[in-house]
Amino acid sequence: DGGITQSPKYLFRKEGQNVTLSCEQNLNHDAMYWYRQDPGQGLRLIYYSQIVNDFQKGDIAEGYSVSREKKESFPLTVTSAQKNPTAFYLCASSITGVSSYNEQFFGPGTRLTVL
Amino acid sequence: AQSVAQPEDQVNVAEGNPLTVKCTYSVSGNPYLFWYVQYPNRGLQFLLKYITGDNLVKGSYGFEAEFNKSQTSFHLKKPSALVSDSALYFCAVRDRGSGNTGKLIFGQGTTLQVKP
Repeated sequence: DGGITQSPKYLFRKEGQNVTLSCEQNLNHDAMYWYRQDPGQGLRLIYYSQIVNDFQKGDIAEGYSVSREKKESFPLTVTSAQKNPTAFYLCASSITGVSSYNEQFFGPGTRLTVL
Repeated sequence: AQSVAQPEDQVNVAEGNPLTVKCTYSVSGNPYLFWYVQYPNRGLQFLLKYITGDNLVKGSYGFEAEFNKSQTSFHLKKPSALVSDSALYFCAVRDRGSGNTGKLIFGQGTTLQVKP
């Protein structure tokens, strides 16, 4: 069963804590992405990675960090520097390179709430 | 700057009637355009895309979209709406300034409400 998995589905964080959101894919895709979704604002890109051991900042990278040690995994850490982290976080993957018109495949999302 | 606009926050339609969800774009060069659907508390599901060729693109669940270059639009359509089509719909365009990264620029989303 191919696809993208995200865990946990719901996550609660106290102020000042770092938390890590998991994203795993078995689609053999090179590129992976993290988005943040807030009501009425669509999706905003946090970080993306085109290849293992390489990643780039998106539009709203401040307060977040990522790693890409394996092709299948692209975890996102929400640090205490992120002042308004409560949101729905979506991970996606796609083929890149010359076929850069390929669609992105999305995971089911993680809803993060700061208490 | 490249952008995507979905001018309607919400579209209401009766079941069985045709539906249209609007999308306009602004990009340099030829656009690669996408439509996605999101059900509550779920990830996005790909519906269809326009890369080149026929301006009418057919996708999943009976949806289609019409690419209009002169109007820079890519409206999503379905001849007969179902209550189960009620969801949040996103239009997206590939960021052509990003090389071959596959980055997408998303519209803010349109909520489709189909009433029985």
